[in-house]
Amino acid sequence: NAGVTQTPKFRVLKTGQSMTLLCAQDMNHEYMYWYRQDPGMGLRLIHYSVGEGTTAKGEVPDGYNVSRLKKQNFLLGLESAAPSQTSVYFCASSGAVQPQHFGDGTRLSIL
Amino acid sequence: EDQVTQSPEALRLQEGESSSLNCSYTVSGLRGLFWYRQDPGKGPEFLFTLYSAGEEKEKERLKATLTKKESFLHITAPKPEDSATYLCAVQAGTSGSRLTFGEGTQLTVNP
Repeated sequence: NAGVTQTPKFRVLKTGQSMTLLCAQDMNHEYMYWYRQDPGMGLRLIHYSVGEGTTAKGEVPDGYNVSRLKKQNFLLGLESAAPSQTSVYFCASSGAVQPQHFGDGTRLSIL
Repeated sequence: EDQVTQSPEALRLQEGESSSLNCSYTVSGLRGLFWYRQDPGKGPEFLFTLYSAGEEKEKERLKATLTKKESFLHITAPKPEDSATYLCAVQAGTSGSRLTFGEGTQLTVNP
């Protein structure tokens, strides 16, 4: 049982480049989330989804886009990467009344 | 605005030396308070959910308690393998399934 799987695990980008982070869950969860974790800032919600085909903004959505075309997948896109987006990105999923389960993160550096 | 403050930021204990971590919160209608453990390079791992003041939950050497303003994570006779960052998060009645996280307490248990 894989749970929540994030790819890639590491990535280095140059300023202005674009990329997509993939999150896949095999628990049939309705809800999925993207967070970023920075030293001294804790986990902050970027975007989330309450079901297939839906997305909503979280606390820090600027510079990111998301898509939930399939229930099991949640994609996070960076359109034009900036150094301020250097962070560790975590995906999570949950049922309606269940705790969130997290992947092991994508470590992203923007040069 | 929902707020979560964890203290201390870092805690060093000797093996067997019991202590407590604090999570103070301000939230509009608490639906649940969550404790997670995070090891270096990994995603947060769910530990407990507490729903109402007076509730307690235990798992091995850990016990979580909840009041109307704060939660404590008590660690009894810790072992080096308990070393990790412990995260607290709240779910408000107005926020659906979204969580607001504190910055965490980094616990180190020395042998």
